[in-house]
Amino acid sequence: DAGVIQSPRHEVTEMGQEVTLRCKPISGHDYLFWYRQTMMRGLELLIYFNNNVPIDDSGMPEDRFSAKMPNASFSTLKIQPSEPRDSAVYFCASSLGISGNTIYFGEGSWLTVV
Amino acid sequence: AQKITQTQPGMFVQEKEAVTLDCTYDTSDPSYGLFWYKQPSSGEMIFLIYQGSYDQQNATEGRYSLNFQKARKSANLVISASQLGDSAMYFCAMSPLARRTGGFKTIFGAGTRLFVKA
Repeated sequence: DAGVIQSPRHEVTEMGQEVTLRCKPISGHDYLFWYRQTMMRGLELLIYFNNNVPIDDSGMPEDRFSAKMPNASFSTLKIQPSEPRDSAVYFCASSLGISGNTIYFGEGSWLTVV
Repeated sequence: AQKITQTQPGMFVQEKEAVTLDCTYDTSDPSYGLFWYKQPSSGEMIFLIYQGSYDQQNATEGRYSLNFQKARKSANLVISASQLGDSAMYFCAMSPLARRTGGFKTIFGAGTRLFVKA
């Protein structure tokens, strides 16, 4: 079975540009999570969805960040405009809520904003 | 509120020896799951082991075992017979299990970096 698929794996962009990160969760999973990992702050939950509906976006740092899940097999995390402090690894993860909630991560999108 | 604490920023262990990585947690949820993930230098997050708060026995997965002490709110990971490939960052995590308003939310500790010496 395919795992969580994220794209792009690596992105370098200039400050002020729009960044869109994409995620395809594991088929059949009903929860999708976006995490951000930095050296200073560790692994932070940004937002999560249940059945395509955003449940908790309290971790989204500011209005420059937005996330959507138009269907069960696709989600995006958008940063507009991007800033150097957004440089981090962004993980998408999914889980089947009734199975002990084990979440499975994608390989991450390594974002560098210069 | 939920909280995960990993008090060991870094640990060293000799190859072939066992090592225990500490994790304590705090939650008001009556039932919850505890997890350990491994993050090697390549960056991916690898699920290792799961323990349900209602499980009577400690979870084991190969060389990994979870020393679950509910009264102490601890869920330590034990790696037996350490291998060089075990050198990585290890994260403890927790999620509520009962369906409730607001759904599920898995939180992570700060992690412990394990170094296995040859």
